[in-house]
Amino acid sequence: GQNIDQPTEMTATEGAIVQINCTYQTSGFNGLFWYQQHAGEAPTFLSYNVLDGLEEKGRFSSFLSRSKGYSYLLLKELQMKDSASYLCAVREGGGSYIPTFGRGTSLIVHP
Amino acid sequence: KAGVTQTPRYLIKTRGQQVTLSCSPISGHRSVSWYQQTPGQGLQFLFEYFSETQRNKGNFPGRFSGRQFSNSRSEMNVSTLELGDSALYLCASSVRGGTEAFFGQGTRLTVV
Repeated sequence: GQNIDQPTEMTATEGAIVQINCTYQTSGFNGLFWYQQHAGEAPTFLSYNVLDGLEEKGRFSSFLSRSKGYSYLLLKELQMKDSASYLCAVREGGGSYIPTFGRGTSLIVHP
Repeated sequence: KAGVTQTPRYLIKTRGQQVTLSCSPISGHRSVSWYQQTPGQGLQFLFEYFSETQRNKGNFPGRFSGRQFSNSRSEMNVSTLELGDSALYLCASSVRGGTEAFFGQGTRLTVV
C-alpha cells in the first residue's frame, strides 16, 4: 500500500517563492508526479521525477529524494493564476502503471 | 490535437438507478484510467484499461465497472447508485500508462 502526505493548504504572496512538500511511503517506487488542478477543472500535468535531483521547467521545479521518500514542488515568481490545488502522485511500479494521488495542497496566492 | 473528452459533463440521478459515463482519449492513446474525486477522499483510482483489457483495478465495489472499445474509447458504469457516489469522475489517457496522463474535464455526478 501507499501513504502520501502533503499539506492541506498554503498561502503565499504574489511574486514570492513557495515550496510544497510531499512525503510518501510505498513498497516500491516507479516515479512521482505533480499535477495542478484549478477549481472546477481537470488536473494538468506539471512534472515527473523518477531519479533523485531537481527538474526545472520554467517557473516550476520539482525535486525528488528516493532514499527519504520526499519530493517538493517549487513555484517561483508566484502569480495570482497559480492559486490552485497541487497534487502529488506516486507510482509504485511492480507492473502497475497507475499513480496513487495525495489529497492535494490548496495554494492561495494573494496580492 | 483534441484532448480527452468526457460526456456528459453533468448528471443527476436518483438512488438505485444506474449510470454510464463515456471517455474518448487522445488519438493514439491506448491507456484509459478512471478516477473518482471527492472533497473528502481526494482523487481515487477506479480502474485502468489498455487495449480493451482491464489492467489495474482500485478498491471499489463491484457496482463500478468499465470497458474499453477497439477505438480506445472507454465507458464506466455504476449500478444501484448510492448517495455517496456523488463525485467528479475523471478519465485520463496516456500512450501506454506512461509518464504523462492527460485528464478530461470530468463528469460531475449528483445522486439524489
